[in-house]
Amino acid sequence: DAGITQSPRYKITETGRQVTLMCHQTWSHSYMFWYRQDLGHGLRLIYYSAAADITDKGEVPDGYVVSRSKTENFPLTLESATRSQTSVYFCASRRAGSTYNEQFFGPGTRLTVL
Amino acid sequence: AQSVTQLDSQVPVFEEAPVELRCNYSSSVSVYLFWYVQYPNQGLQLLLKYLSGSTLVKGINGFEAEFNKSQTSFHLRKPSVHISDTAEYFCAVSEKRNDYKLSFGAGTTVTVRA
Repeated sequence: DAGITQSPRYKITETGRQVTLMCHQTWSHSYMFWYRQDLGHGLRLIYYSAAADITDKGEVPDGYVVSRSKTENFPLTLESATRSQTSVYFCASRRAGSTYNEQFFGPGTRLTVL
Repeated sequence: AQSVTQLDSQVPVFEEAPVELRCNYSSSVSVYLFWYVQYPNQGLQLLLKYLSGSTLVKGINGFEAEFNKSQTSFHLRKPSVHISDTAEYFCAVSEKRNDYKLSFGAGTTVTVRA
């Protein structure tokens, strides 16, 4: 009953390499989100998904790809990592509903691109 | 589109003193407002939220916030802080018509000293 988990927690990679960050939630929440956290910017939305096979761009999608073949998983791929993608990445989920429902956040993945 | 400004990037405070974190937002439509807390090396958790009704909202750990529509503000307060309140605090807003999208402020780092 882990809730929402992310893996790996820490990752160091090199410029140009492909990297995939994993996110898994056990609540069967409809919505899932990927954010990046950078000093002075707070959290910025990269991509979100309203349900399996439905994804949409957020505020800063360039250089990232997502997929959602299963409700519980929402991987984020950096196709060719750049130094500017060094950041802390948070996955979040929430259930669908008629009024606001809280987003629950994972513990984050700290990614360093050398 | 909505946006959030947190007016203080860092707030040092002594233990048992009061603290106020300031947040202003802009939006052309009705909004929901939130404060999240991030303890070191952890994900975000919800402190409190304003959806409607009373403008004074009470949250966890003794925090409260007041929604002021005319000043478009949602300031967070705690009358007496503890060392354990040392964390980063984020104000966030979502538009009621698209309540699955959260926009975050840049964050305020609170450091509580003995």
